[in-house]
This record gives sequence, structure tokens and C-alpha cells, in this order.
Amino acid sequence: QVQLVQSGAEVKNPGASVKVSCKASGYTFTGYLIHWVRQAPGQGLEWMGGIDPNNGGTNYAQKFQGRVAMPRDTSITTAYMELSGLTFDDTAVYYCVRELVGGFFDYWGQGTVVTVSS
Amino acid sequence: QTVVTQEPSRTVSPGGTVTLTCGSSTGAVTSGYLPNWFQHKPGQAPRALIYSTSNKHSWTPARFSGSLLGGKAALTLSGVQPEDEAEYYCLLYYGAGWVFGGGTKLTVL
Repeated sequence: QVQLVQSGAEVKNPGASVKVSCKASGYTFTGYLIHWVRQAPGQGLEWMGGIDPNNGGTNYAQKFQGRVAMPRDTSITTAYMELSGLTFDDTAVYYCVRELVGGFFDYWGQGTVVTVSS
Repeated sequence: QTVVTQEPSRTVSPGGTVTLTCGSSTGAVTSGYLPNWFQHKPGQAPRALIYSTSNKHSWTPARFSGSLLGGKAALTLSGVQPEDEAEYYCLLYYGAGWVFGGGTKLTVL
């Protein structure tokens, strides 16, 4: 069965970086895009960007460009989201979600809580 | 900056019907925006309901349907159940990327 399993909760200081992982199983990793979405406390869902694991091509929301990276390691079928220059506003639950090209979003990771605190 | 607009909240009685809409600041929403709909309950990951305007996933209950209505994407719930109380989000494609709507909090009572 398809599963996206994310890494555990993180607590970071302002200015630090965080790296969240998303381990995929139960399907061909390179056949689907992986997107990252976050939800800050009391806020809605926000699309951050995505990666094509087949070629490593990425597409980031303008808001995060220069501060986010979304690499992947096909040998271990894992996608990552790295966010640098953390501020208190980056406190959120971060999710990975799978897309079959053409707008077919389906399976989500369980979410990773990232807390930015001094 | 592109804005995707949803009703902030809606209330429906059990067994009733409700339509949630999703509009775009750029104009009419068409199938080219590849509308997706998600259900999100507190403490859980979002759940995909509808993709490409009107297509259901294998797990999507039959009472949920997607369409285009009056220049917007729409999600209709027919025969609402208490467990449908949740936040509902639409997601639209803009070529350079994707944008979520602000979400609609659906209350069933």
C-alpha cells in the first residue's frame, strides 16, 4: 500500500535551518511528483513547492524562493524539504503529498511539526 | 498575487445538501486549473476528495461531487453526515505553481 512517512517533530531556534524527510513506499517513487504543504497555527494550507523525483526538477512558490530546497534521494525513495532562515512565522505542520502529473493529488504524509522558538 | 477565494464558513443540517465554491482572482475557474478538493480534520492529515474538477478517488464517498459552477469550482455534499464536519480546501493550478484557497469550515448541526 502507498505510504508517505515523514520524520519526527523538530524544534529550532530563529535563524536556523530544518530538514524534513518524506519516505515513500508502495509505488514507483519516480512516477509521481512530491509536493510540500504547510499549515501554520490557526491558518490554512499553503503550497510551498514540489519536486519531480525522476529528474530532480523543482518548482517553488515565490514566497519561499531562495530559502527552500527540495532534494530527493532515489536510492532510498525519500524526498526532503529544507527551509533556512527560520522565523517564528515558520512554526507549522509540514506535509508531503503525492501528485500524478496532471493534477491528481492523492496520498499525504502524516505531517511534521516544526516549532521555531528561542 | 493570485488569491483563491472560498466561503469562510457554512452550516448545514444532517441529511441536507451544501455547495462550497472556489473562485480565482484571475477570472473564471476552468478545468485547466485542475481543481482539487481536500477534507481536513483537526489532528489529521488532509484527505484528498476530488481531482481534476470532478473525479473521485476510490475512497471518496458517493455523496461528494465536484463541478464547475458560475465561473468557480464547486464541491457539493448531498445527504450530509455528521462526520463531514471539517475544513474543506480547494487547490488550483496556475502554471507557475499551485495555490490553496483559504478553506471553508463546514459545520453540521
